[in-house]
Amino acid sequence: KNEVEQSPQNLTAQEGEFITINCSYSVGISALHWLQQHPGGGIVSLFMLSSGKKKHGRLIATINIQEKHSSLHITASHPRDSAVYICAVRGGTYGGATNKLIFGTGTLLAVQP
Amino acid sequence: NAGVTQTPKFRILKIGQSMTLQCTQDMNHNYMYWYRQDPGMGLKLIYYSVGAGITDKGEVPNGYNVSRSTTEDFPLRLELAAPSQTSVYFCASSPPWGAKGELFFGEGSRLTVL
Repeated sequence: KNEVEQSPQNLTAQEGEFITINCSYSVGISALHWLQQHPGGGIVSLFMLSSGKKKHGRLIATINIQEKHSSLHITASHPRDSAVYICAVRGGTYGGATNKLIFGTGTLLAVQP
Repeated sequence: NAGVTQTPKFRILKIGQSMTLQCTQDMNHNYMYWYRQDPGMGLKLIYYSVGAGITDKGEVPNGYNVSRSTTEDFPLRLELAAPSQTSVYFCASSPPWGAKGELFFGEGSRLTVL
């Protein structure tokens, strides 16, 4: 079993829909990253969070440390949101954080017009 | 401010050849990383560095070498290319972990070994 599991693996949505991508992990962490990768393109960092919730435009990321779970929400989805969304966790406690990240395999999102 | 720059973007190698993937960042980040991304798999850490002169192995270091002579540069060397090294390689950098430990990635280098 992977230490970081994402669901769903593939997601197709209609433009305007509310989208949720989930990330569960089995290790203790000091922070969690959400990344976006467009087809054939590079990887962009969307959020880094260690507690609570963060919002940037139409994107919202939440994390529940006790339940070892994070969600990435996209409101009013648009075809340009089509990409692979990757969850990555940084292991260890904050004071003893390691430098290594464990990555999920990604969620492929396709938003159709 | 260019961020993280990787070269080349594409390369085809024959088995046994050697090459170096270049990575440069202009954000004065201490931490730099090399990852490989294989189809259907999460990114795997090859090597990382927490500062000039300091490097350490990641999960999949075999067949690779790195050096970090300056803060800006973190080249990845493949000495004897093998088909198993066909992958997309990403260099990344970040400031020291903390409240602003955001990751910055290069555009990726697609390597094919035939």
